[in-house]
Amino acid sequence: GAGVSQSPSNKVTEKGKDVELRCDPISGHTALYWYRQSLGQGLEFLIYFQGNSAPDKSGLPSDRFSAERTGGSVSTLTIQRTQQEDSAVYLCASSPSRESYEQYFGPGTRLTVT
Amino acid sequence: AQSVAQPEDQVNVAEGNPLTVKCTYSVSGNPYLFWYVQYPNRGLQFLLKYITGDNLVKGSYGFEAEFNKSQTSFHLKKPSALVSDSALYFCAVRDPRGGNTPLVFGKGTRLSVIA
Repeated sequence: GAGVSQSPSNKVTEKGKDVELRCDPISGHTALYWYRQSLGQGLEFLIYFQGNSAPDKSGLPSDRFSAERTGGSVSTLTIQRTQQEDSAVYLCASSPSRESYEQYFGPGTRLTVT
Repeated sequence: AQSVAQPEDQVNVAEGNPLTVKCTYSVSGNPYLFWYVQYPNRGLQFLLKYITGDNLVKGSYGFEAEFNKSQTSFHLKKPSALVSDSALYFCAVRDPRGGNTPLVFGKGTRLSVIA
């Protein structure tokens, strides 16, 4: 079946511009996660959606970052006024509702801020 | 708070030799533990998990991991390494009492298998 998809695969933007990254989770998965992977770093949690509950935004690095999930499916991560330190690979993952389940990751969006 | 440590940034092993990628964890209760692999320019792929039961867990591509509660470890192993196993490996933990919360990942270990 279809896995998690993300678009675009690559994004180059100028410092100060806004960007939107999209994630299509696996159908039926109630949990959706955004992570960031910077060069030489591990995976940094950004935000987490579980069903209709309020999202857990505790990992967002600044108020320039926001995300929404429409209809319990597609999610968009928005970065406003991008900075060079925002350059990273942004990974989306989804999973079924139970905590014993693994997360399924998309291929990621590589963001480069020039 | 939960945490994971992968003490080796890089592991080199000759093809055909056994490999071990180390992982230790810290969590208050009984952990759920996961291993993922990342090939170049790809997302993370799930390898295996420990939830409960047998301490030796078998996963994809011939990998296995052993849960050791007394040593708080979950090392990834394979009896005979292949060049194609060369990749970045991540260990991750979740405290199940927190529900379906985000995984906490280690910083990753780069495995290089030399022909």
